[in-house]
Amino acid sequence: QSVLTQPPSVSGAPGQRVTISCTGSSSNIGAGYDVHWYQQLPGTAPKLLIYGNSNRPSGVPDRFSGSKSGTSASLAITGLQAEDEADYYCQSYDSSLSALFGGGTKLTVL
Amino acid sequence: EVQLVESGGGLVQPGGSLRLSCAASGFTFSSYWMHWVRQAPGKGLVWVSRINSDGSSTSYADSVKGRFTISRDNAKNTLYLQMNSLRAEDTAVYYCVRVGSGWELDYWGQGTLVTVSS
Repeated sequence: QSVLTQPPSVSGAPGQRVTISCTGSSSNIGAGYDVHWYQQLPGTAPKLLIYGNSNRPSGVPDRFSGSKSGTSASLAITGLQAEDEADYYCQSYDSSLSALFGGGTKLTVL
Repeated sequence: EVQLVESGGGLVQPGGSLRLSCAASGFTFSSYWMHWVRQAPGKGLVWVSRINSDGSSTSYADSVKGRFTISRDNAKNTLYLQMNSLRAEDTAVYYCVRVGSGWELDYWGQGTLVTVSS
């Protein structure tokens, strides 16, 4: 059971917009710790997708965006493409600076 | 270019030990906190341990506390994970991960597979 809660799966057609939620608590996200998002393509290591709640590393398309409010965060993907099919994980911290992960969300592009 | 290359994984019997290594290059290793994160087959990411830049502070997931030890050799640009009393549930790909300036996990190694089985 992950401390951060994500939906197990989401899906959308090419060109559509999908969102993935990440729900924490007052001990982690709600305590002010930033949320980061990772994309894991099949058979590969995770890759940083969004950092500091809403910032994109160089090379990440602006179709990907993140937000945070209270004890939750969201990842939005617009203009869905087949290559976006992957697992997505949110991550934050607790007061001992132990990293916390969501259980992961599998995105299927229909 | 930042590179993190894990090694040391393999097949080990329950109760056995393994030491994982992560060779870092392309950045000033001694300036960065590091983590180990694992992923069981078909499962999600699970945090294992972290160490600060000079090795003076460490933290562990409850599931590995007392059995695993994280350490680093900044002169050799290498991160380690000593794993003792291994259990079947420790079977996973283990990733070495760098912590960025905003506490994000900004670079990941390719992972090394640890299989605990008799």
